[in-house]
Amino acid sequence: AQKITQTQPGMFVQEKEAVTLDCTYDTSDPSYGLFWYKQPSSGEMIFLIYQGSYDQQNATEGRYSLNFQKARKSANLVISASQLGDSAMYFCAMRGLYTGTASKLTFGTGTRLQVTL
Amino acid sequence: ETGVTQTPRHLVMGMTNKKSLKCEQHLGHNAMYWYKQSAKKPLELMFVYSLEERVENNSVPSRFSPECPNSSHLFLHLHTLQPEDSALYLCASSQETGEGNYEQYFGPGTRLTVT
Repeated sequence: AQKITQTQPGMFVQEKEAVTLDCTYDTSDPSYGLFWYKQPSSGEMIFLIYQGSYDQQNATEGRYSLNFQKARKSANLVISASQLGDSAMYFCAMRGLYTGTASKLTFGTGTRLQVTL
Repeated sequence: ETGVTQTPRHLVMGMTNKKSLKCEQHLGHNAMYWYKQSAKKPLELMFVYSLEERVENNSVPSRFSPECPNSSHLFLHLHTLQPEDSALYLCASSQETGEGNYEQYFGPGTRLTVT
């Protein structure tokens, strides 16, 4: 079984500042992937960044980076230089790898980020 | 059309109605998913289709009936729904190759209201 915990229901950040969204996980799978998605008010889930449990380096995608600490089972998302368009819900998710075709993604409850002027 | 599309975007139906949600992916993926997103709850996986075969059914009530006629299309047939079924229904697709990061691409969702 897998579990994702996001303890911050809401966060505020000023424009151009950096913000960290927390995510901890629990799994019995030996290999797994961690994902972050953004959901604006329009509803669509937008894939942001991926980290494999076997990756030695933290993933980065533009202004997004994933602070992966395997021993602590945490996969925090860092957004640098926040923009007003970053205001949205952010979901952390995970799945086991090499478990067969089309494994399920397990999602956390999300963090609502508000970027202010 | 690009990505994953869903129709309709909004649907209001009575408890005795029958309706269908449609999802189409234009990404050449081999797996498709239905998720339910209710207020203040994590996304719940409902159904998974891989190569047009259902590989997972997460204890979903029989009033929800999925159909995957080919790898690009996925339907969710609805009948005799309850008010608690009101939610955002998201479709997703992915390419399951045996390696890689398997990110799922989501459609914009159908906002369903059951009256």
